[in-house]
Order: sequence, then C-alpha cells, then structure tokens
Amino acid sequence: DGGITQSPKYLFRKEGQNVTLSCEQNLNHDAMYWYRQDPGQGLRLIYYSQIVNDFQKGDIAEGYSVSREKKESFPLTVTSAQKNPTAFYLCASSIEGLYGYTFGSGTRLTVV
Amino acid sequence: AQTVTQSQPEMSVQEAETVTLSCTYDTSENNYYLFWYKQPPSRQMILVIRQEAYKQQNATENRFSVNFQKAAKSFSLKISDSQLGDTAMYFCAFMKHAYTDKLIFGTGTRLQVFP
Repeated sequence: DGGITQSPKYLFRKEGQNVTLSCEQNLNHDAMYWYRQDPGQGLRLIYYSQIVNDFQKGDIAEGYSVSREKKESFPLTVTSAQKNPTAFYLCASSIEGLYGYTFGSGTRLTVV
Repeated sequence: AQTVTQSQPEMSVQEAETVTLSCTYDTSENNYYLFWYKQPPSRQMILVIRQEAYKQQNATENRFSVNFQKAAKSFSLKISDSQLGDTAMYFCAFMKHAYTDKLIFGTGTRLQVFP
C-alpha cells in the first residue's frame, strides 16, 4: 500500500545535539512538507519542497534544515540552534492542490 | 498573507446530535481550496472534506457537510448524527489554487462526543 512513513515514532535528544527525522513516501508525490504541532497553535510550516533538489522555508524554519535528494525522501534535521525543539512533527506530501495532503503518523521529539 | 481562524477551542455534543464547527479565513485570492482535517487521539491527520472556492455548491461527505460563504470568508463544518468516533481535533485549512502549495491551518477545535 502507498503511504508516508515517518520514523522514529518517538525520539529523545540531549540539549546541544542535532537529530534527523525521517520521512519517506511511495505515492509518487512531487511535493513534500514538514509541520510542527504544539498545543494550542495548530500546525506550523517548517519547510516544503515542490521538486527534487529544491525547497523553501516555511514560517518557522530557524533552527531546522532539510534536503530533497530523492523524490521519495525529505528528511528534517533539528539543529542545536532550535531553541525549543520539543514538539510533534508531521510530514506530508501532495500530488495536486485539490486533493490536499497525505500525512505521515508523526514523530514526537523530546529534549532531555 | 492568508490566515485561518477557528474561534471555538473546544466543543461537545451528545451522540446522534448535530454539531457545527466554525472557521473563517482571510485572503485576497479568488480561487483557492478549503479543507477540514480530523486528528483523533492517534494523532493521524485524516482529510474529512474539501471545497473548491469557485464551486458554489457546498461539499458533502456522508455525515459531514460544509457551509461555504465565499463573500463572508466563512467555512463551517456540520457533523450530523455524531458518533463517539468523531471525538478528535478538527482543523480548518486553506490553500491557494495551485498545483502544489502550502496548507495554512487554523488552531483547531477539540470536539468531544458524549454517549
């Protein structure tokens, strides 16, 4: 079955460390997105990519980095520059605006 | 910039009753898409219903329907015959009319369905 896989489901990071969240899709979707979800703030866009080897900053890109070397993969790195990284991270992909997004099951990142 | 506002942080409804969740948005675009997503306790985001702005007819999907008022920039979701499985966070979202573009989300409404 086609879908989006995010791993790991839970991730713990020590302060000062970088950590990478994985997002893989086999839907042949062109566009991929990373959102951060905090209580009471909905989903906020971190980065998005509409084509391989190209990506754009979203509303809260500071302290994050991404790459898009393959159509299927869009990993997100949370760097030590991100002041408050503890959150729930959602990856999504889309083929065309009308159909909205398909979401992964999310990664819960906790800084310890 | 586009914004989406959901003014009801929490709502509750009794099983089998009807409930309406509110959403307003701000945009200068004429063509766009609007969506309602459901996030149950599993936290998986599920598309509930979508509306194309250039279509005047309100979208319906089984027990879910919308009241789309383009001039008022309002996009409410009506859930009929509420079921316990409808308990979830509901997010309203906006996208400009494009092949692919950013989804802009509201802050969500937490819906609790009581037996």
